[in-house]
Amino acid sequence: QKEVEQNSGPLSVPEGAIASLNCTYSDRGSQSFFWYRQYSGKSPELIMSIYSNGDKEDGRFTAQLNKASQYVSLLIRDSQPSDSATYLCAVNSNSGYALNFGKGTSLLVTP
Amino acid sequence: GAGVSQSPSNKVTEKGKDVELRCDPISGHTALYWYRQSLGQGLEFLIYFQGNSAPDKSGLPSDRFSAERTGGSVSTLTIQRTQQEDSAVYLCASSFAPSTDTQYFGPGTRLTVL
Repeated sequence: QKEVEQNSGPLSVPEGAIASLNCTYSDRGSQSFFWYRQYSGKSPELIMSIYSNGDKEDGRFTAQLNKASQYVSLLIRDSQPSDSATYLCAVNSNSGYALNFGKGTSLLVTP
Repeated sequence: GAGVSQSPSNKVTEKGKDVELRCDPISGHTALYWYRQSLGQGLEFLIYFQGNSAPDKSGLPSDRFSAERTGGSVSTLTIQRTQQEDSAVYLCASSFAPSTDTQYFGPGTRLTVL
């Protein structure tokens, strides 16, 4: 049973549109939630972290967390071709420190 | 400051040989993690070091895998008698503190076992 689930995509959106990426997790005790961006052949880089229910905004990115529904999402406004990458959802495991990653959603922003 | 560094960036080896992968975490980060990313798979946790505490080795896939961390800084992941299924990108991450703190990833070592 997968602990962190993401739609693999690809999700294709036109330039300037809003991209919506979703993630569900199984461990109700999870406290920390992260979105990483991974370009092909590169290592993951942190986009957003969120720890409390609600929305957290940082520039064009908004993370949303709903612990009751065990759901995390990432919205990218005014999507740019440079946003084309795989987005990884990560949730801290029951160990408290290791992260459980989803397989990632591939996003393609078309000019 | 400098980020997490890993070496080598690429390693090609023959089945049955031993390999050592190195990770140099961000200065001041007490927590260090190793993950593995196989083609088409998500990141898989391997091992965790925190300060001078005993490491959490619960993610190591077999006893051919081992890791150490010297002086609370540099870590080496060793894979003995490599198999083709060990081919993957091995990623190291570090964080200032464990638990909720953000993990920063190094560039990874791409291991290919022929």
